[in-house]
Amino acid sequence: NAGVTQTPKFQVLKTGQSMTLQCAQDMNHNSMYWYRQDPGMGLRLIYYSASEGTTDKGEVPNGYNVSRLNKREFSLRLESAAPSQTSVYFCASSAFPGHSNQPQHFGDGTRLSIL
Amino acid sequence: AQTVTQSQPEMSVQEAETVTLSCTYDTSESDYYLFWYKQPPSRQMILVIRQEAYKQQNATENRFSVNFQKAAKSFSLKISDSQLGDAAMYFCAYRTTGNQFYFGTGTSLTVIP
Repeated sequence: NAGVTQTPKFQVLKTGQSMTLQCAQDMNHNSMYWYRQDPGMGLRLIYYSASEGTTDKGEVPNGYNVSRLNKREFSLRLESAAPSQTSVYFCASSAFPGHSNQPQHFGDGTRLSIL
Repeated sequence: AQTVTQSQPEMSVQEAETVTLSCTYDTSESDYYLFWYKQPPSRQMILVIRQEAYKQQNATENRFSVNFQKAAKSFSLKISDSQLGDAAMYFCAYRTTGNQFYFGTGTSLTVIP
């Protein structure tokens, strides 16, 4: 079972370059999320999509855009990368409805360095 | 907004001993869900254990158990008979009924042989 697949696993960018992180899940989950993980700060939510066709800002959305392409795919775009966006990025998905003990399932992460 | 606090940035335990990682949270909801995730050096996020707020009984998964104190808004993880493979970063997470998740800042667990 693939679960949540993120590409790429590693990327180095120069300041000002743009790129898109891809995420796909094969568990028929409704909700998908993008987090960044920085040392000492845990996981911080960038954007999430409660269901296909909807997206909402999380705690740290500035400098990012997202697209929920279909139920399976949720991409994260950096339009003009900045060194402050150097981080490890995780995509996750979870089932809905809310009255459920379903956890999030995570991809393996993307280590992004911006020079 | 909900907040999740892990007050122990680092913990260590002797192999085969027991260790408890603490987590507190702040919420006005009565119905919610709590999770502990493990993140080894491989960076994978692995679900360790989950707890429904409406259940009074503490969850248990093999060597892992929780002490859930709803009134105190506390959700600690106990690891018994610690093994070298338990060394990892551990995150406490809170899930709302609206399907949003909030994470603590993590506790780095070292297991001493």
